Amino acid sequence: NAGVTQTPKFRVLKTGQSMTLLCAQDMNHEYMYWYRQDPGMGLRLIHYSVGEGTTAKGEVPDGYNVSRLKKQNFLLGLESAAPSQTSVYFCASTEYTEAFFGQGTRLTVV
Amino acid sequence: LAKTTQPISMDSYEGQEVNITCSHNNIATNDYITWYQQFPSQGPRFIIQGYKTKVTNEVASLFIPADRKSSTLSLPRVSLSDTAVYYCLVGEVGAGANNLFFGTGTRLTVIP
Repeated sequence: NAGVTQTPKFRVLKTGQSMTLLCAQDMNHEYMYWYRQDPGMGLRLIHYSVGEGTTAKGEVPDGYNVSRLKKQNFLLGLESAAPSQTSVYFCASTEYTEAFFGQGTRLTVV
Repeated sequence: LAKTTQPISMDSYEGQEVNITCSHNNIATNDYITWYQQFPSQGPRFIIQGYKTKVTNEVASLFIPADRKSSTLSLPRVSLSDTAVYYCLVGEVGAGANNLFFGTGTRLTVIP
């Protein structure tokens, strides 16, 4: 049972480039989330999904887009990366009691 | 959403019991209290969840008074490996994003 898997684990982007982060879960969870965590800070919710085909904005959605075409996958896209998006990105999934998190993607925008 | 307030940091010696208190004055009737632990460079990990009174598992205990306006996470006999950030979350279980808003947490440092 792999749980929640994020790819890639590390990435360096140039300002203005685009990329997609993939989150995959094998627990058949309905709810999935994307967070960012800046140094010394807590997690801030970017976008979330309550089921296949649905997405909603969280606390800090600007500059990001998401898609949930399949129940097991939740994609986070950066259309035009900015240095302010340098952060560690975490994906999570949950059904009821506990949320399961991926190991994170460390993204640097130069 | 019920706002939570926790101490920013705490230090403790190895072998001591650590109690981290979280205030949530505006907790709603359907809200549960959940604690997560996060080690550096890792995603948060679920520790414990409760609604009222006391909950205990193999890792920690959670004490919730009758008015539910606060809760205390108790870690018995901490070791160096318990050094981490601990987050208190309040929200409905199974209600989408309602229960997964993280604050800045409490940074616990265990001293040898």
